[in-house]
This record gives sequence, structure tokens and C-alpha cells, in this order.
Amino acid sequence: AQTVTQSQPEMSVQEAETVTLSCTYDTSESNYYLFWYKQPPSRQMILVIRQEAYKQQNATENRFSVNFQKAAKSFSLKISDSQLGDTAMYFCAFMYNAGNNRKLIWGLGTSLAVNP
Amino acid sequence: DTGVSQDPRHKITKRGQNVTFRCDPISEHNRLYWYRQTLGQGPEFLTYFQNEAQLEKSRLLSDRFSAERPKGSFSTLEIQRTEQGDSAMYLCASSLRDSSFNFGSGTRLTVV
Repeated sequence: AQTVTQSQPEMSVQEAETVTLSCTYDTSESNYYLFWYKQPPSRQMILVIRQEAYKQQNATENRFSVNFQKAAKSFSLKISDSQLGDTAMYFCAFMYNAGNNRKLIWGLGTSLAVNP
Repeated sequence: DTGVSQDPRHKITKRGQNVTFRCDPISEHNRLYWYRQTLGQGPEFLTYFQNEAQLEKSRLLSDRFSAERPKGSFSTLEIQRTEQGDSAMYLCASSLRDSSFNFGSGTRLTVV
């Protein structure tokens, strides 16, 4: 069974500082994708960053970067220069192909508060 | 706006009534997904369409739930005889051949 674990239910950071959100997953699949999604109070799920499992290079998107440790099945998200607008729920998700479907397995989320 | 759109944004209904939600995916996306999300949880998969074909339904989708995508474009999710336990955010997502899922803003259902 595929599982995603986010061990930090809540985190806070001061504006302009750096914060790291942790995510671990368990799978027997060899081909998969990993994602971080952001869900602000407006509730729209927004893709922050994605990582293909076959790529060794860590993905980066502006202030957002990941530390992908495939052997350890770890996929943490680093947010640099935190901004007030980064306040949101952050979900780690794992995707694999299951027949005709693509399955997205979600963690329970980490609530991040960026303080002024 | 060329993203995924969902209608309505909010729906309050009395227990026992039927409700229908609509999702308009990104136009060239052939894959469409419905998820349900309750407070403090990640989304739970409900059903999946590839073009007009409904290829998978979750066990969460009881007989009171039905989804359609008649022309392979927009999709509807209907809940019959609503129960209080149906109160949740219903999310729609679409994707093309690549791995990215694009989500709509969701429909928040409250059953009173």
C-alpha cells in the first residue's frame, strides 16, 4: 500500500525566514511523482512543486525547493524568504499509475503560519 | 480564466434533498477527477473519467452518488437524498497526459 506521512500538523515561521516541511512516503512502485500542494483559506488546491522519481536533481520553483531522498523515501519542502501569502495548508502527495488511472495519495497536511 | 471551474462555490441544502455540482475542466484535458475533502484531511478520491468514460469509482461513492461526463468536457456530480455526513468540500481536477493535476476552487456542501 502507498502511504504519505506528514509528521508536522502545524508550523510557524517569521516573515523572510526559511522553513522546511517534512514528508515521507512508502511505496513499492518504481515510477512515480511527488508533489507539494498549497491550500490557502480560499480552499483552492494549488500546485507548488513536483518531482519525478527518476530525476535525481531536486526540483526548484523560485522560493520553493525540495530535498528528494529516494532511498530514504523522503520529500521535504523548503520555503525561503517566507511571505505572509505563504500562510496555508501544505499537502504532500504521491502519484502512481494504476491501470488506466493515476492515483494520488495525500498526506494529512501541515498548516503553516507565516508571522509578520 | 482558463483554469478548472466549479459551480456553485457554496451549497446549503436540507437533509434528504438532491444536489448537483458542475465541473468545467481545462478544455484540452481528457482526464477528470472528483475528490471529497473534509476539514483537516487531504482529498479523498471519488471517481475518474477519461474523456466520457468513467473508468473508476471509489468505494466511498455510494449508490446515492452519481457522476457523468456526457461529452467528455464538463462533468456533473449528483448526490441524492443528502445526509449530514455528505457535508464536505467537493474538488474537481483535470489533467492531460502529463502528471500535473489542476484543481478547481471546489464546491462546499453543507447539509443541514
